[in-house]
Amino acid sequence: RKEVEQDPGPFNVPEGATVAFNCTYSNSASQSFFWYRQDCRKEPKLLMSVYSSGNEDGRFTAQLNRASQYISLLIRDSKLSDSATYLCVVIGGGGFKTIFGAGTRLFVKA
Amino acid sequence: SQTIHQWPATLVQPVGSPLSLECTVEGTSNPNLYWYRQAAGRGLQLLFYSVGIGQISSEVPQNLSASRPQDRQFILSSKKLLLSDSGFYLCAWRGDVALAVDTQYFGPGTRLTVL
Repeated sequence: RKEVEQDPGPFNVPEGATVAFNCTYSNSASQSFFWYRQDCRKEPKLLMSVYSSGNEDGRFTAQLNRASQYISLLIRDSKLSDSATYLCVVIGGGGFKTIFGAGTRLFVKA
Repeated sequence: SQTIHQWPATLVQPVGSPLSLECTVEGTSNPNLYWYRQAAGRGLQLLFYSVGIGQISSEVPQNLSASRPQDRQFILSSKKLLLSDSGFYLCAWRGDVALAVDTQYFGPGTRLTVL
């Protein structure tokens, strides 16, 4: 089993749709969780951190479920500019080991 | 503000040639530094990380090596490149672990093609 798993997609959605991604992790001692966004042939950029209490940033909502060991990202009112690959990131025990999921591709179409 | 630089942006090298990629960070001290590789259409693979000058940890066995000669400089090297070394190489920094800041920030990357 991979340490961090994501549905590779692609997710093809129309503008204005709501789309959700899940990511599961295997190490129950994992400490920190993030979502990154990566545009084609570019470096990943931090989208948002994920907290147990859940956090929201505009149209984006991230949730962490420690009991089931998954994190989620919800995008509401999708825009064309949301088209990208979304990477789930988990930081393990000791704070050094960072594991990236393989990413979920999203295509938002007019 | 902090910035991270990588060069070159693009590199085409023959099999068996040496490699040196450089990464520097500005605007912070004692950062944790990371080298990742991303093969075409794949996820990021952590290659090395460093918590200080001269301190390198390797995540996967390979023909690559890393060095940190200065606090804000991280170098990725190879004596002889393989075809399988082709990929997108990303350097990242993170603040002092003792401050419990986990977020990593990436440089623009080097796209390496080995022919």
